[in-house]
Amino acid sequence: QQQVKQSPQSLIVQKGGISIINCAYENTAFDYFPWYQQFPGKGPALLIAIRPDVSEKKEGRFTISFNKSAKQFSLHIMDSQPGDSATYFCAAADSGNTPLVFGKGTRLSVIA
Amino acid sequence: SAVISQKPSRDICQRGTSLTIQCQVDSQVTMMFWYRQQPGQSLTLIATANQGSEATYESGFVIDKFPISRPNLTFSTLTVSNMSPEDSSIYLCSAPHSGGTEAFFGQGTRLTVV
Repeated sequence: QQQVKQSPQSLIVQKGGISIINCAYENTAFDYFPWYQQFPGKGPALLIAIRPDVSEKKEGRFTISFNKSAKQFSLHIMDSQPGDSATYFCAAADSGNTPLVFGKGTRLSVIA
Repeated sequence: SAVISQKPSRDICQRGTSLTIQCQVDSQVTMMFWYRQQPGQSLTLIATANQGSEATYESGFVIDKFPISRPNLTFSTLTVSNMSPEDSSIYLCSAPHSGGTEAFFGQGTRLTVV
């Protein structure tokens, strides 16, 4: 599987602050980039996703920024809340019906 | 979003035994995927299950250890055979949203082998 590199491994953010998680990919055929949120004991839940035809997608407090030339994409969580504390995974795939390649995950802790 | 029901949600098994995990999707999907998530780790693809054909396994995973069935377009099973403590992980099934790439996951099966 092609690699997706995710950083940082862990992140501590003050309540109300901005959480930023970065991912980089190698395979230029990737055309779908989702982010998943996983709470302990639960399966990953699709949070937000982007395709290469746009550079940014926003849904509520969550924004994906995408840089096709740099082969990088990032998740920004605005006004971070303690309830956002979870592990976040970026992923990528190169077409429908193909499996996702996951980053290693970022454990986010939002402290009051 | 697709609804994926996976069971059992957790199990504690004796080494040397086998466990079959079931995954039911609320819509017909061509592909289903099985992942393993070891403690504190990311998701690793075990195999792709296509209805009507044998599953395709990733490097490091073999059919004798992880046999998969895909009898129809909404259901799949993964069996973890001859278990050892190293098989203790969360096992997850996934399916794309119909007509798209968006992948949804079941809640996972937390397996502990003792």
